[in-house]
Amino acid sequence: GAVVSQHPSRVICKSGTSVKIECRSLDFQATTMFWYRQFPKQSLMLMATSNEGSKATYEQGVEKDKFLINHASLTLSTLTVTSAHPEDSSFYICSAPPAGRWDEKLFFGSGTQLSVL
Amino acid sequence: QKEVEQNSGPLSVPEGAIASLNCTYSDRVSQSFFWYRQYSGKSPELIMSIYSNGDKEDGRFTAQLNKASQYVSLLIRDSQPSDSATYLCAPGGSARQLTFGSGTQLTVLP
Repeated sequence: GAVVSQHPSRVICKSGTSVKIECRSLDFQATTMFWYRQFPKQSLMLMATSNEGSKATYEQGVEKDKFLINHASLTLSTLTVTSAHPEDSSFYICSAPPAGRWDEKLFFGSGTQLSVL
Repeated sequence: QKEVEQNSGPLSVPEGAIASLNCTYSDRVSQSFFWYRQYSGKSPELIMSIYSNGDKEDGRFTAQLNKASQYVSLLIRDSQPSDSATYLCAPGGSARQLTFGSGTQLTVLP
């Protein structure tokens, strides 16, 4: 089945540094990818929708200058957390619907646990 | 009104019992529904999808859909401790983004 690869799985960084998270679709083209954030014991919160070749669409309350999204190819989307602070510590997950079919199930990356010291 | 609402948890059932998880949704356009299971510290994994009214069975799992009532449920028969996880309900294709319910945390007690 379709696979979404997400790296790194865990990252620890100092406050003020930037962290890049990659999400790759391995055997299908992902024209769209979703980025979620999940705090402990809470559900997934959609941060932004990444569109190949165009600007990402951010959800209300998500700072686009802090969470930079790049979707330069049909198989790769990246999320960069700029100037990370402890409150950005969270579990970040990407997902993609196959072939842009919004009515189909999502394929999830394995998630990235970000800890900002 | 929230787009997706799930029965509040946490839910505890003894091993071997039936666990019942419920979900209501507000968007009448939704034609597909998915149940995901998420273990702590892991990303969600799909366990059931349902598109038509009625029941769909897959092993110990049965999804039930009632589009008129905008209600979808998941039954887990012969619950096992390994079923202990958070279960997320998600309608698909109804909006620009796929929304998740808050999840129901299930604990199966040995």
